[in-house]
Amino acid sequence: AIVLNQSPSSIIASQGEKVTITCRASSSISSNYLHWYQQKPGAFPKLVIYSTSYRASGVPSRFSGSGSGTSYSFTISRVEAEDVATYYCQQGSSNPNTFGAGTKLELK
Amino acid sequence: EVKLVESGGGLVQPGRSLKLSCAASGFSFNDYWMGWVRQAPGKGLEWIGEINQDSSTINYTPSLKDKFTISRDNAQNTLYLQMSKLGSEDTAIYYCAREGRGYVMDAWGQGASVTVSS
Repeated sequence: AIVLNQSPSSIIASQGEKVTITCRASSSISSNYLHWYQQKPGAFPKLVIYSTSYRASGVPSRFSGSGSGTSYSFTISRVEAEDVATYYCQQGSSNPNTFGAGTKLELK
Repeated sequence: EVKLVESGGGLVQPGRSLKLSCAASGFSFNDYWMGWVRQAPGKGLEWIGEINQDSSTINYTPSLKDKFTISRDNAQNTLYLQMSKLGSEDTAIYYCAREGRGYVMDAWGQGASVTVSS
């Protein structure tokens, strides 16, 4: 199975700050199959970015993604209070699909 | 509006079985792959498995393949997860999700809580 290593495991950021999360895969993944989810406390996960860089419907433009091969990143250009959540990367390139361990974003 | 509603969760004794259901509405259910994901208390997301449109392909994460069975009823727009030989390690919230292109999970249910305890 492809292992996704997410870093950092937690981030403490100030409002307005830029944050970046990295997702590194143990084997190369097609960029069409790398996705990012947001899970707010007590809620179900919500798709934020699909196929590396495409924002899901209704997702603000401050969220973006990039990458290729084994290295992918997720960025929030200016963190807002409502962005407090845990973020997960997921790959569907190779069976079984797998998730990263998650990155918990908190506000300073 | 796409809607996924899980049911069938609850408290179950170790070694017993439980079957979860996921009722889908707001989209053409038989056009999509569907999947299950679980989340143990305080832990991350774990992909359980997926099923294609006509049930001809079902994939599982290897560690759960012998105890979990995924099925669907397209006439009833319902996805199922049959769980057997449950242990405390299976205590989790179980989510069903619709899978889109690239196996993205683009719609999620609110989750069903399963607690395995005597």
